Amino acid sequence: DIEMTQSPSSLSASVGDRVTITCRASDSISTYLNWYQQKPGKAPTLLIYGASSLHSGVPSRFTGTGSGTDFTLTISSLQPEDFATYYCQQNHRTTLTFGQGTRLELK
Amino acid sequence: ELHVLESGGGLVRPGGSLRLSCETSGFIFGNYAMGWVRQAPGKGLEWVCDISNSGGSTTYADSVRGRFTISRDNSRNTVHLQMNSLRVEDTAVYYCAKSWDAVVVPGFDFWGQGTLVTVSS
Repeated sequence: DIEMTQSPSSLSASVGDRVTITCRASDSISTYLNWYQQKPGKAPTLLIYGASSLHSGVPSRFTGTGSGTDFTLTISSLQPEDFATYYCQQNHRTTLTFGQGTRLELK
Repeated sequence: ELHVLESGGGLVRPGGSLRLSCETSGFIFGNYAMGWVRQAPGKGLEWVCDISNSGGSTTYADSVRGRFTISRDNSRNTVHLQMNSLRVEDTAVYYCAKSWDAVVVPGFDFWGQGTLVTVSS
């Protein structure tokens, strides 16, 4: 199975900051990479699919880049509602795998 | 408006069985694959299984293969997860989720709120 490793595991930032979260795959996955946001006690929501395509209704401050094994999720200017946990997920093979998550906290 | 609602969670003894259900509305159910993803308390997300739009193709994580069975009823817009031989490590919130594709699941674009399964003696 392809393993997904996110860094950092946690991150403290302030409203207005620009933040970047990295996801690395153990093998090349082309652009078969999605990003999700999860708030405490809530279900995950899809942010980015196909490494760089913004899901409907997701603000444009979220940007996904990358291909092969290295991917990034960037939030250009943090808003109060963005403090949450973020997960990457690969779908290159029929078995899906998630990264371990990056918790974004208010500094 | 899309709706996905899981039910059937609860407390079960190790070795026991449980059947989860997922009722959906607001989209053409028979056009999309569906899946289950779980989250152990305080942990990350783990994909469990998925099923194609017709029900003809299913895929399972190694951790549940042979114990769990996913099925769907396109006439009732529902998905089920039959869980047998449950283990303590199966304790988690189980999310039912909709894919945006019909056969191969690239990911999930809409999730239910989850149902808690606790396996404990």
